[in-house]
Amino acid sequence: NAGVMQNPRHLVRRRGQEARLRCSPMKGHSHVYWYRQLPEEGLKFMVYLQKENIIDESGMPKERFSAEFPKEGPSILRIQQVVRGDSAAYFCASSPGLGSGDTQYFGPGTRLTVL
Amino acid sequence: DQQVKQNSPSLSVQEGRISILNCDYTNSMFDYFLWYKKYPAEGPTFLISISSIKDKNEDGRFTVFLNKSAKHLSLHIVPSQPGDSAVYFCAASAGAGGTSYGKLTFGQGTILTVHP
Repeated sequence: NAGVMQNPRHLVRRRGQEARLRCSPMKGHSHVYWYRQLPEEGLKFMVYLQKENIIDESGMPKERFSAEFPKEGPSILRIQQVVRGDSAAYFCASSPGLGSGDTQYFGPGTRLTVL
Repeated sequence: DQQVKQNSPSLSVQEGRISILNCDYTNSMFDYFLWYKKYPAEGPTFLISISSIKDKNEDGRFTVFLNKSAKHLSLHIVPSQPGDSAVYFCAASAGAGGTSYGKLTFGQGTILTVHP
C-alpha cells in the first residue's frame, strides 16, 4: 500500500537550468496538489490538478513554473530557468477527490537547491 | 493575508502531560480542518481532521476541538510522549463554490518539544 511517491528527493541545479519534479499519487487517488515550503515558513499551495486538467493554479508563479498530470504517468512540476529564490522543499499531495472533507496525503518532498 | 494562523511558534511540555496547540482562521468558507505533524526532511503526516458540522473529533491520544463562532481550533495530545516532538501544522479547506476549494491553507506551524 504505497503512499505518495516523489522523486528525486534532492535536486541540485545551477541558475538558468531546468528542474523537473515528479509525483505519483496514492493508488486510487485522482487529485494531485503541489505545495512549496520556503525556509522558516509554512506550506504554500501552488497548483491543484486532476488527470489531464489543471483545476486551480492560483498559487503558481506566473512565469517559469508549469505543472501537468497526464493520463498516464506521474504528475510533473517543471521550473524553467531556475533562480536562487526557487530553492525550497516542494511537496506533492494526493486525495481521492471526495469534495468537502477530502483528506490530502503528502509525499516526502523534493528539496531543490539552486546554486 | 494569513487566513490560518498559529500564533505560538513553539511549545514545550513534560512527558505525560497534555499538549494543547492552537489555530485561528479568518475565512468563513472553510469547512474542513486538518492537523499534520512534520519531522525535518520529511513530508507532513496526517493526524486528525474535523468537519465544520462537528465540534470535536477524537482519535486515540489526539482530540481536535472546533469553535466556529470564535473561528478557533485546537489539538490536544494526552498523554504527550517524546516521540510527539515535531512541527505541527493546522490546515483548512473549503467546499465547492469558494476560492479556497480543494487546496489547503496552512498555518505557520508550532514546534512541539516533549521532554522526558
